Amino acid sequence: DAKTTQPPSMDCAEGRAANLPCNHSTISGNEYVYWYRQIHSQGPQYIIHGLKNNETNEMASLIITEDRKSSTLILPHATLRDTAVYYCIVFLRSGSRLTFGEGTQLTVNP
Amino acid sequence: GAVVSQHPSWVICKSGTSVKIECRSLDFQATTMFWYRQFPKQSLMLMATSNEGSKATYEQGVEKDKFLINHASLTLSTLTVTSAHPEDSSFYICSATRPSGRVNTGELFFGEGSRLTVL
Repeated sequence: DAKTTQPPSMDCAEGRAANLPCNHSTISGNEYVYWYRQIHSQGPQYIIHGLKNNETNEMASLIITEDRKSSTLILPHATLRDTAVYYCIVFLRSGSRLTFGEGTQLTVNP
Repeated sequence: GAVVSQHPSWVICKSGTSVKIECRSLDFQATTMFWYRQFPKQSLMLMATSNEGSKATYEQGVEKDKFLINHASLTLSTLTVTSAHPEDSSFYICSATRPSGRVNTGELFFGEGSRLTVL
């Protein structure tokens, strides 16, 4: 399964955009990119996912490069409650293994 | 939206006892469920992949006789930690997939997690 690489930590000022990068250079054509976040002692929370096209929902935007080897999660106006560990996951077909990388600890500062 | 529920959310037990954690998909049929273990300040570590009606596939290093996984129905998977010891204390999380009909677009949903403390 494709592995992902993320920076271990990032800081962002409250109200500013948070841009979280993810490298997934071995992704295959049918694999989707998913983003989740985990706040301490809770289960991961779904944020967004995509295949090729950029995606946007009420939480975030997902920018996937044309070669699909990397992506960026954008939180347009970060708040203190967005402080969490963000995981970028490449998902294989149903029934296959689903593994997590180390994620990025995003800290939003006042 | 779809919800995956785990029970109990936390449990404390004595060393040597067995503990069962349930993972339920509340409004969809989950063909595949994943079980994870997470230690403090670490990422989620995949323990096993469970497909309904078949034996679970365990990750290397995970003892199948110690961590019993049963996925007998499309809405319920259970993880039983047998003869628990203090080193089994951890945060256990399940995930369920709901196929959406298209290749490789199975939606992923996570439970709230179950914190196990073995004394």
